[in-house]
Amino acid sequence: QVHLVESGGGVVQPGESLRLSCAASGFSFSSYAMHWVRQAPGKGLEWVAVISYDGSNKFYADSVKGRFTIFRDSSRLLLQMYSLRREDTAVYYCATAHSTIAKRPGGGGTMMAPGFWGQGTLVTVSS
Amino acid sequence: QSALTQPRSVSGSPGHSVTISCTGTSNDVGRYNYVSWYQQLPGKAPKLMIYDVSERPSGVPDRFSGSKSGNTASLTISGLQAEDEADYYCCSYVGSYPLYVFGTGTRVTVL
Repeated sequence: QVHLVESGGGVVQPGESLRLSCAASGFSFSSYAMHWVRQAPGKGLEWVAVISYDGSNKFYADSVKGRFTIFRDSSRLLLQMYSLRREDTAVYYCATAHSTIAKRPGGGGTMMAPGFWGQGTLVTVSS
Repeated sequence: QSALTQPRSVSGSPGHSVTISCTGTSNDVGRYNYVSWYQQLPGKAPKLMIYDVSERPSGVPDRFSGSKSGNTASLTISGLQAEDEADYYCCSYVGSYPLYVFGTGTRVTVL
């Protein structure tokens, strides 16, 4: 079955960098666009970024554009975060698109919302 | 792009129905039939309950249903059960930056 395991979270100071990883298994990873979504403590969900099934299309939330980079390899989804701010403190979830690229090829699958989610990794930005 | 508007909380008795609204604009909910709904139990990751306005993923009970009218989408839970007590979020495709926007979230309480 679908298995997503996030790692790489931790405590960093403002201005520092961090790389999150999401290990995927149990499904055809290369057939899905993938998302990052975050949730600040006690707050709601915020969409962060999406990458197409083949890595050719990437889209970001305004709040992270220019500071975060989403990318993928054969079995992992990654999020490189630079110039971290206190407001980036959150649990970061990786998620598949809700269906494979075959259902909706437009944008390389980026037009499909998050489907299956991992358990998340906590990033704390604090001095 | 502002978050989609949901009621802060709704409640209902076991066996009854509750409906959660999700109000956006003509640029998001009103433009695309790409609204999804997520259930988040305390301390857990969100779970997809509805996608593309009214489609249910495999394994989601048919007590959960989705619909849309104009700029407002809705999630209805019929035959409410204690296990349905959770936070629920809607999400809409926007088509431009940012590509997706979530709702403010609704706490469902089973009385």
